[in-house]
Amino acid sequence: ETGVTQTPRHLVMGMTNKKSLKCEQHLGHNAMYWYKQSAKKPLELMFVYNFKEQTENNSVPSRFSPECPNSSHLFLHLHTLQPEDSALYLCASSQDAATGANVLTFGAGSRLTVL
Amino acid sequence: GQNIDQPTEMTATEGAIVQINCTYQTSGFNGLFWYQQHAGEAPTFLSYNVLDGLEEKGRFSSFLSRSKGYSYLLLKELQMKDSASYLCAVRDSNYQLIWGAGTKLIIKP
Repeated sequence: ETGVTQTPRHLVMGMTNKKSLKCEQHLGHNAMYWYKQSAKKPLELMFVYNFKEQTENNSVPSRFSPECPNSSHLFLHLHTLQPEDSALYLCASSQDAATGANVLTFGAGSRLTVL
Repeated sequence: GQNIDQPTEMTATEGAIVQINCTYQTSGFNGLFWYQQHAGEAPTFLSYNVLDGLEEKGRFSSFLSRSKGYSYLLLKELQMKDSASYLCAVRDSNYQLIWGAGTKLIIKP
């Protein structure tokens, strides 16, 4: 248990479904992140929220929609995904996104399969 | 473009020493991180280097040479539980984290 909890751990959805991934952190951090992890590829940053403000949207398709209602919770809403979106989605948090020695604490991820 | 290179896979023997290399080309430098990720688990922070030299933390050490754009993670007295992927990441001048694809380390008895 890292202090960052992601649900669900596994999700299978069709291309026309709407689903959401949830992330919660109990560390008192101010920044939260969504990353996509595909096999044998570097982590891809998707979104960053710092003090509840979205500070980064890394050219992510609009079928992925983030929501950060408070500094402890982060959602990733999924709609009309493609099979190539199948991957492990990692949530992370840190004290502050704008500092140098900014150590990320990750959740265990949500394994998404799009049929 | 920005790039982090690390070997895809390495194999080592229990009780031995292994060195995992990471080379980088980034727009500026504001620190280098190593994370460990066991299969199906969260990546966890191992080390942070911002100045040249060796940082030692128990069985794990991390080295940085900024002039060479090079780092390594040294694991001593290898244990079976060290079988994992090791991720290298560099923070660039815009404080963006650039990640390598990870090195899968297999420990054999």
